[in-house]
Amino acid sequence: NAGVTQTPKFRVLKTGQSMTLLCAQDMNHEYMYWYRQDPGMGLRLIHYSVGEGTTAKGEVPDGYNVSRLKKQNFLLGLESAAPSQTSVYFCASSFRTGGTDTQYFGPGTRLTVL
Amino acid sequence: AQKVTQAQTEISVVEKEDVTLDCVYETRDTTYYLFWYKQPPSGELVFLIRRNSFDEQNEISGRYSWNFQKSTSSFNFTITASQVVDSAVYFCALSDASYSGAGSYQLTFGKGTKLSVIP
Repeated sequence: NAGVTQTPKFRVLKTGQSMTLLCAQDMNHEYMYWYRQDPGMGLRLIHYSVGEGTTAKGEVPDGYNVSRLKKQNFLLGLESAAPSQTSVYFCASSFRTGGTDTQYFGPGTRLTVL
Repeated sequence: AQKVTQAQTEISVVEKEDVTLDCVYETRDTTYYLFWYKQPPSGELVFLIRRNSFDEQNEISGRYSWNFQKSTSSFNFTITASQVVDSAVYFCALSDASYSGAGSYQLTFGKGTKLSVIP
């Protein structure tokens, strides 16, 4: 199993450009998440999905859109990138056992917006 | 509202020393779950442990041990005989048992403690 994979690993954008980050998991997990990690801020939830075709907003959703057309994939889109979106983005997936979910993370995507 | 506090921003120890990473949490729920994740310099987040609020037994896994105390709302992590490979940022996280909006148990993370083990 590859677990959770993220594409690309690094990206540099100019302000106003758009891009899509791809997250894929091969563990048949129902739940998937997108986080951003900024220095001194820990991880903050952007959007999440509880199943194919469903998405919901997290703590910091503004400026991002997501889609979950297939169970194994969760896409994060930036329509018009801004320097404030420079961050490391992590995708996670989880399954439910023992009353809650345990999230497993991808390797991260380092995004710089100039 | 949930909150996780990791008051130690950075810790440095000399190899073979023991080190404890503190985690204090806040929640109104009686059922909740606590997690620790490790983020080595390579950047990925690695799941270490999960505990539920009904199980206050301490956990030991090799050189790692976890001390869960509901009375002080703490879930501390101790590394015994630290090694250079333990150098990483460690995150404590909390999930309560209530569905959050669309039915997912969301994690609230602390801001992390950066541990440097000096050879």
